[in-house]
Amino acid sequence: KQEVTQIPAALSVPEGENLVLNCSFTDSAIYNLQWFRQDPGKGLTSLLLIQSSQREQTSGRLNASLDKSSGRSTLYIAASQPGDSATYLCALTSNTGKLIFGQGTTLQVKP
Amino acid sequence: DVKVTQSSRYLVKRTGEKVFLECVQDMDHENMFWYRQDPGLGLRLIYFSYDVKMKEKGDIPEGYSVSREKKERFSLILESASTNQTSMYLCASSFGKLNQYFGPGTRLTVT
Repeated sequence: KQEVTQIPAALSVPEGENLVLNCSFTDSAIYNLQWFRQDPGKGLTSLLLIQSSQREQTSGRLNASLDKSSGRSTLYIAASQPGDSATYLCALTSNTGKLIFGQGTTLQVKP
Repeated sequence: DVKVTQSSRYLVKRTGEKVFLECVQDMDHENMFWYRQDPGLGLRLIYFSYDVKMKEKGDIPEGYSVSREKKERFSLILESASTNQTSMYLCASSFGKLNQYFGPGTRLTVT
């Protein structure tokens, strides 16, 4: 059974710092991997999607990588800002089309 | 832009009531999903639908049913609400195995 783990569960950094969020999974048979952002009490916003055949995707200050062989993905946030404070969720799309979520990393960026 | 809307942001119901949560998407997506999100448990799939009148059980279907009479609308039904169904409910839609787009969520409290 596919399991998705995100470490750490919570992270607090000063503004301007570069940071990495980690996601690991147990089964490399995935269709794609998505990183989502969730603000408190709100729905999920898709940030980046990496297809199974890709290694990374970039959007602005965000860069997500995928290494299927090691079962890992990272989300790199450059020059963090207080507005980046949110919970970041990693989710895999299985080959049957289901999304399997990690527990999330709650990020606080302090001014 | 894809838009997924949910009928209520906040809902308070009494134990034993029948509860309807509605979700509508405007992008002609064939796939629609209902999740619940609880602290420490993450997002869990309740039911999903690949087409009109089609439904599949997710990981935690007990106590829930769904209805999809039109392509754009997917309803989650709590036949007899219980306090352990107090949660954040999130609806999503997708085309094939592509990005899932999420609604804003409904926070349901059962007293």
